Amino acid sequence: QSVLTQPPSVSAAPGQKVTISCSGSRSNLGMNLLSWYQQLPGTAPKLLIYDNNERPSGIPDRFSGSKSDTSGTLDITGLQTGDEADYYCGTWDSSLSAVVFGGGTKLTVL
Amino acid sequence: EVQLLESGGGLVQPGGSLRLSCAASGFTFDNYGMSWVRQAPGKGLEWVSIISGSGDTTFYADSVKGRFTISRDNSKNTLYLQMNSLRAEDTAVYYCAKVPISGVVTHYFDSWGQGTLVTVSS
Repeated sequence: QSVLTQPPSVSAAPGQKVTISCSGSRSNLGMNLLSWYQQLPGTAPKLLIYDNNERPSGIPDRFSGSKSDTSGTLDITGLQTGDEADYYCGTWDSSLSAVVFGGGTKLTVL
Repeated sequence: EVQLLESGGGLVQPGGSLRLSCAASGFTFDNYGMSWVRQAPGKGLEWVSIISGSGDTTFYADSVKGRFTISRDNSKNTLYLQMNSLRAEDTAVYYCAKVPISGVVTHYFDSWGQGTLVTVSS
């Protein structure tokens, strides 16, 4: 069981919008910032969002994030087939003194 | 450009040992913390361990505490993971990842290597 909770899968049609949720607790998301990663099939994870809603250079603005209290979301608009991947949320857990991840969400673009 | 290149993975018997290395380039290595994250076949990401830029602070996941040791050689720009008493459940791709600060309390990793596969099996 992962410390952060994500839906196992989401799906939407090309051009549509999808939202992936990430739920935690006071010791992790309640006290620390949220990040998101994209893992395309057969590749290493790549940072998508940090500091709840900041994008590294090169990440398109179709990807956006937010956090409120102990939960957060990743929004992807204008879905493309190339967005099909696993998405993970992550943060620091101050009680565990550990980095924690969600279990991952598989995005299917129908 | 940040580059992280893992090596040292392979097949090892249960109870055996292995040392992973991660060669870093493209940034001032000792200014940043570093971490290991693993992914079992078909599973999600699992954080393993983290070390500060100076090497004086380390943390471990409970699943590897007492068996794995993270270290770094800043003169060689290299991160290590010494894995002892290996179990079948340690089978995974092991990624090294760069922390955006010199410390260890981080909510994200800004660069990842391509990973090295460790298989624990008899």
